[in-house]
Amino acid sequence: NAGVTQTPKFQVLKTGQSMTLQCAQDMNHEYMSWYRQDPGMGLRLIHYSVGAGITDQGEVPNGYNVSRSTTEDFPLRLLSAAPSQTSVYFCASWGGGAGNTEAFFGQGTRLTVV
Amino acid sequence: DQQVKQNSPSLSVQEGRISILNCDYTNSMFDYFLWYKKYPAEGPTFLISISSIKDKNEDGRFTVFLNKSAKHLSLHIVPSQPGDSAVYFCAATYNFNKFYFGSGTKLNVKP
Repeated sequence: NAGVTQTPKFQVLKTGQSMTLQCAQDMNHEYMSWYRQDPGMGLRLIHYSVGAGITDQGEVPNGYNVSRSTTEDFPLRLLSAAPSQTSVYFCASWGGGAGNTEAFFGQGTRLTVV
Repeated sequence: DQQVKQNSPSLSVQEGRISILNCDYTNSMFDYFLWYKKYPAEGPTFLISISSIKDKNEDGRFTVFLNKSAKHLSLHIVPSQPGDSAVYFCAATYNFNKFYFGSGTKLNVKP
């Protein structure tokens, strides 16, 4: 069982470039989310989705876009990369509701913007 | 403003002793709490959880305590093992749509 798969694992971008971080899950989970991890800040929620076609903003959404056209995929787009977006990004999915609250995380994407 | 806070960035304990990791929250709507463990270069993995209708949940060496009046929860690891050395995050939710995470506590268990 692959679980949550994130690609790429590492990426270096120049300021102003755009890119898409991919996230796919094979557990048929309705809920997915993107977090960034920065030193001393823990995991901060960027965007989340409660099902295909439904997305909403988290705590730090500026500079990022998401879409959820299928249950399996939840890509995160950086429209114009900035050095402040240098971080480690994690995608998570879970089934939702009582008894399905355990979120499964991908291995992360380490992004550096120069 | 962070709704879930872990005020201790790091903790060091001797193998075999108890590790106590603390977490505070501000949002009284939170009704479900979780602890995650994270090793370097890996994603967080679920460890243990507790519903707000309980004040304690136990799973092997891991016990989570919840004090709703103080808006405080703690994770006890007994006995601590070197393999427990990792970063521990607490998280909270009130509608299962999203989770709010603390900043993490790095646990070092010395052999």
